[in-house]
Amino acid sequence: NAGVTQTPKFQVLKTGQSMTLQCAQDMNHEYMSWYRQDPGMGLRLIHYSVGAGITDQGEVPNGYNVSRSTTEDFPLRLLSAAPSQTSVYFCASSYRTGSLGTGELFFGEGSRLTVL
Amino acid sequence: GIQVEQSPPDLILQEGANSTLRCNFSDSVNNLQWFHQNPWGQLINLFYIPSGTKQNGRLSATTVATERYSLLYISSSQTTDSGVYFCAVVTFDSNYQLIWGAGTKLIIKP
Repeated sequence: NAGVTQTPKFQVLKTGQSMTLQCAQDMNHEYMSWYRQDPGMGLRLIHYSVGAGITDQGEVPNGYNVSRSTTEDFPLRLLSAAPSQTSVYFCASSYRTGSLGTGELFFGEGSRLTVL
Repeated sequence: GIQVEQSPPDLILQEGANSTLRCNFSDSVNNLQWFHQNPWGQLINLFYIPSGTKQNGRLSATTVATERYSLLYISSSQTTDSGVYFCAVVTFDSNYQLIWGAGTKLIIKP
């Protein structure tokens, strides 16, 4: 059982380049989300999805796009990378527990992105 | 919005000691979770505990929803317990967004 799989684990970009961080889960979770974590800080929500075809913005969505065409996959796209986007990115997923809640949240191992 | 406060911010203990980490929240929640981030950055869900008490080996957690706090107990600490412990809550109007505490950084010395 793979759980939540993120690729790549490490990436170096130049300012202005675009890239996609991949996230896949094999637990049939409805809810998926992307977080960023800056050094010594907590997690900040970028975007989330409560099911295929449904996405919504979190706390820090600017500069990022997401889509959810299948239950399993939730890619995060950086449109034009900036040094301020240097961070560790985590994908997470869970079951929904009714209209307002999420279940136990499972995280991927993280993707460390450096923008020069 | 809801405030989630964790205490203490830092804790240094010798191996074998017990510890209690606290999470206070300022409004009603419909779920609360505890996470451990190890020194390599991996995030592990420890407990999903909107109310009541749960135990998993040397770790246990209690949430008293009516008094708006949760406690994480670690007994007989091991060096592998080092890292940052986060609590996160979902409120009835947070629309699936987990609201995170700032974390407690725990260092277990051998």
